[in-house]
Amino acid sequence: QSVLTQPPSVSAAPGQKVTISCSGSSSNIGNNYVAWYQQLPGTAPKLLIYESNKRPSGIPDRFSGSKSGTSATLGITGLQTGDEADYYCETWDSSLSAAVFGGGTQLTVL
Amino acid sequence: QITLKESGPTLVKPTQTLTLTCTFSGFSLSTSAVGVGWIRQPPGKALEWLALIYWDDDKRYSPSLKSRLTITKDTSKNQVVLTMTNMDPVDTATYYCAHVHGSDMDVWGKGTTVIVSS
Repeated sequence: QSVLTQPPSVSAAPGQKVTISCSGSSSNIGNNYVAWYQQLPGTAPKLLIYESNKRPSGIPDRFSGSKSGTSATLGITGLQTGDEADYYCETWDSSLSAAVFGGGTQLTVL
Repeated sequence: QITLKESGPTLVKPTQTLTLTCTFSGFSLSTSAVGVGWIRQPPGKALEWLALIYWDDDKRYSPSLKSRLTITKDTSKNQVVLTMTNMDPVDTATYYCAHVHGSDMDVWGKGTTVIVSS
């Protein structure tokens, strides 16, 4: 059971928009930045969003992040088949003094 | 360009101690706010954060695995070593190391597979 809760799967058609939620608590998301990672099949995770809403260099602006209270959201617009991957949220948990990941969300682009 | 590479045994027996090495380039572990973290992923399952060591030797561990983990750094060799004692088949996973800046794991290694079996 992950400390952060994500939907197991989401799907949408090419060109459409999808959002992935990540729910936590005041000890983690509520008081810390959130990062999002994309893991394409058979590869290592890749940082997509850091500090809740910032994109590293090279990440297209189709990817966006937001945070409100104890929840965070990853948004992907203009979906492409190449976006099919597992997406993970992650943050620091001040009570645990440890980083925590969500259970991951599998994105299917129909 | 920052790169990291994990190395260690592919197969370990139950009860043995696992030693993994993360060899990196493109940054120094003596730079403020820089760290190296370890994360694992059992087959078909989610990512699990294990441990983190910062430039100032501050160390953090997953509470559920803290008694079994030790993380150390060798700044001169650009290496971080993670040891995990009393290995069990449930520890079978791909183990990743990652560059940490502040709190973000911004560059990851490709991972190394560890199988625990007698």
